[in-house]
This record gives sequence, C-alpha cells and structure tokens, in this order.
Amino acid sequence: DAGVTQSPTHLIKTRGQQVTLRCSPKSGHDTVSWYQQALGQGPQFIFQYYEEEERQRGNFPDRFSGHQFPNYSSELNVNALLLGDSALYLCASSLEGLAGGETQYFGPGTRLLVL
Amino acid sequence: AQSVTQLGSHVSVSEGALVLLRCNYSSSVPPYLFWYVQYPNQGLQLLLKYTSAATLVKGINGFEAEFKKSETSFHLTKPSAHMSDAAEYFCAVLRSSASKIIFGSGTRLSIRP
Repeated sequence: DAGVTQSPTHLIKTRGQQVTLRCSPKSGHDTVSWYQQALGQGPQFIFQYYEEEERQRGNFPDRFSGHQFPNYSSELNVNALLLGDSALYLCASSLEGLAGGETQYFGPGTRLLVL
Repeated sequence: AQSVTQLGSHVSVSEGALVLLRCNYSSSVPPYLFWYVQYPNQGLQLLLKYTSAATLVKGINGFEAEFKKSETSFHLTKPSAHMSDAAEYFCAVLRSSASKIIFGSGTRLSIRP
C-alpha cells in the first residue's frame, strides 16, 4: 500500500516565477491538506481540499492556490514566487476530513528554493 | 483560538535516560492532540494521538503521552532513550469542529552516547 507521494522532491526557482507541486494521497483517502514548513519551524497550514473543493484555508495570500482531481490527487500552485516562499512543502492525506480526529499521513515533502 | 506551545526548542539526554518533551495547548473545546516525529530530510510520522478514549496514550517506538486537562498539557515521554530517537518532534492540536491541525514550533531531541 503506497503512502503519500509528492513530486518533485527538490525544486529551484527564481523570484517571480510560478511553481506547481503535486501530491498523491494514501490509498483510500479523499482529503488532502498542504503545509509550508520554513527552516526551523513547525508546519503551517495552507489549505485543505475535499471533494475537489477548497474547504478551509490558512493565512496565506492568494498567490497560493490549489486543485484536487477526481482521483483525489492534488496540486499546489504558487505564483510570483518570493524569496520567503523557500520552504519544505508537505502534503498530508486523511479520510473524510478531520472532524473526527482522523490521522493525517504526511508525504516526504517538496523542498523549494527560491533564488 | 487554539495554539500549541512546546517548551524547549532543544532537549539533550543521554542514551538510556528518560525522554520528556513538553507540550501545552490552548483550546476552547476538548481537542484532539498529536505527536509527530520528523527525521532529517523527511516528512512527518505520527507517533501517537489522543482522541479522548484514554488519557494515557501509547505510541510507536516506546513513546507515550498523557493528556492532563487540568494542566492543558500533553507531554511526550519515553523511559529509555535510544540513539535512533534523535529527531525533531512536533506537538499538534485539532479542534473537533475544525479541519486544520495547528503545530507547535518543534523540539529537537539529541541523544548523547
């Protein structure tokens, strides 16, 4: 049973560029959440997708957008990259949201460096 | 608003010694609580979670945590540290009616030979 997978593993971009990160959830999971983890900090919630809709969003600007596909996989898009967007981006999957405290399973992350 | 405070950004113990990582939470309703571990250059792995079934929660790799409502704490312990326990540990809280997890800033655990 494959766990959560993310691609690419590493990415280098320059300021102003756009980036797309991809996530495939754990088999059987229908909910995907995205987090940004800056160096030396805990993960910060970006948004969550369920049934192809953004269900909840953290304190991130509109430059951060996402999408969930019918097969539950998801993309995170960041436009007009800033140096401060350099971080590890983590994807987590779960079943039917977190209202019941279901466990979130995390992928290995995509490390983005903005120069 | 809910939040998580992890006391001590860095904890160092000797191999075989007790591990104690502290976590305090604030939540207006009984929360769900989690401990995750992150090894270098990896994602987060769930160690254990509290969902109100029992106040003492046992997790993987010999770790356990006790939910104390009166102290709003959820400290992580392990009786005997092993070198392989060296990692970053994150405490996290989830309100039952919310759909996002709030993470603490993390505690880096070092093990001395």
